[in-house]
Amino acid sequence: QSALTQPRSVSGSPGQSVTISCTGTSSDVGRYNFVSWYQQHPGKAPKLIIYDVYKWPSGVPDRFSGSKSGNTASLTISGLQAEDEADYYCCAYAGTNIPYVFGTGTEVTVL
Amino acid sequence: EVQLVQSGAEVKKPGESLQMSCMGSGYSLNSYWIGWVRQMPGKGLEWVAIISPADSDTRISPSFQGRVTISADMYTAYLHWIRLQASDTAMYYCAIRPAVTGSPLEYWGHGTLVTVSS
Repeated sequence: QSALTQPRSVSGSPGQSVTISCTGTSSDVGRYNFVSWYQQHPGKAPKLIIYDVYKWPSGVPDRFSGSKSGNTASLTISGLQAEDEADYYCCAYAGTNIPYVFGTGTEVTVL
Repeated sequence: EVQLVQSGAEVKKPGESLQMSCMGSGYSLNSYWIGWVRQMPGKGLEWVAIISPADSDTRISPSFQGRVTISADMYTAYLHWIRLQASDTAMYYCAIRPAVTGSPLEYWGHGTLVTVSS
């Protein structure tokens, strides 16, 4: 099972929106609506910010939104803030024996 | 409050074995699975293995099959490496997910840093 493909980096100014793509296959992203996104600040553990393609865990601001079309999922950060500068990873379910396939990761820079 | 407390940093030689632990609290034993995720220095996340403490049902990533085993005793999960390689140098995070198909890794531990060097 290969890693999902994400852009290496994206950037935006405070207040702007950025979108991160996550491309998989018909065996993972395209087959199930079990796509999640994780935010990781340097030296910290990952944090769940989106699950089941578009749902928010408690406490996550709705500036983060998720969507999916075909084999590609996307995370959009609206109203970019300095604290959003971090690495972001998508993750997809690929069946009972491979419940987690992570993306390659995207570094978000706030200019 | 959910907490996952992981064992401390380890320094090992190639070929040695290693067992790391993750002790959870603040949730129902039967409602969550405990898993492990690897992050090599400067690299991305890789899923390693996951176990249901309720019935010891396990899943191991094909990338790590034959190199690791996973076990659990109540709220503590253990990841055992059979023969370490230098390339196993990484941070290892444990995380829990609800016992529902397709659930995300909802809560994460602070990580265990493993250094493998001769």
